[in-house]
Amino acid sequence: EAGVAQSPRYKIIEKRQSVAFWCNPISGHATLYWYQQILGQGPKLLIQFQNNGVVDDSQLPKDRFSAERLKGVDSTLKIQPAKLEDSAVYLCASSSSSQGYEQYFGPGTRLTVT
Amino acid sequence: KNEVEQSPQNLTAQEGEFITINCSYSVGISALHWLQQHPGGGIVSLFMLSSGKKKHGRLIATINIQEKHSSLHITASHPRDSAVYICAARGAYARQLTFGSGTQLTVLP
Repeated sequence: EAGVAQSPRYKIIEKRQSVAFWCNPISGHATLYWYQQILGQGPKLLIQFQNNGVVDDSQLPKDRFSAERLKGVDSTLKIQPAKLEDSAVYLCASSSSSQGYEQYFGPGTRLTVT
Repeated sequence: KNEVEQSPQNLTAQEGEFITINCSYSVGISALHWLQQHPGGGIVSLFMLSSGKKKHGRLIATINIQEKHSSLHITASHPRDSAVYICAARGAYARQLTFGSGTQLTVLP
């Protein structure tokens, strides 16, 4: 079974630039999560999708962050414009009710904003 | 809102030592996860448990629901065990996880 795929793995941008991350969840997983993990901290949930609908985006900084999952499969997370404090690892995870909602994580995208 | 605390934050051990990492949470949960994160960012799920004890190789996870506490033990530690270990609590009614801040484990040869 293929795992959660993310790209790119690394990205370096200057502040005020834009960046987009892509996630392909495990096939059949209806729930998809985007997390932000700042160095030395645990992951923080940014947004949770159930199929193509948003379940929770209460911690997403909506003035600069956006996410979509148009067909209920792949998802993209965008930051526009980026700030220095956005430097972090962005993790995507997916889960399924048939597997007890255990979350499977992708390898993450390490973003550095200079 | 669940608060998840881990201890210690950093742990250095000699190869072969028995290691314990602790996790406590503040409200009732449906499951407690132990995760491993290597440099580079990717997270691997080690255990998901809601009661008792689970064992996989040299790793053992226990949970005490009444005391709202879980432990991860590593027997006969090895340098390849060096990683960040994170506990995460899943709420009683939600699928979301609340994460601890992680324990950086370094095992020296």
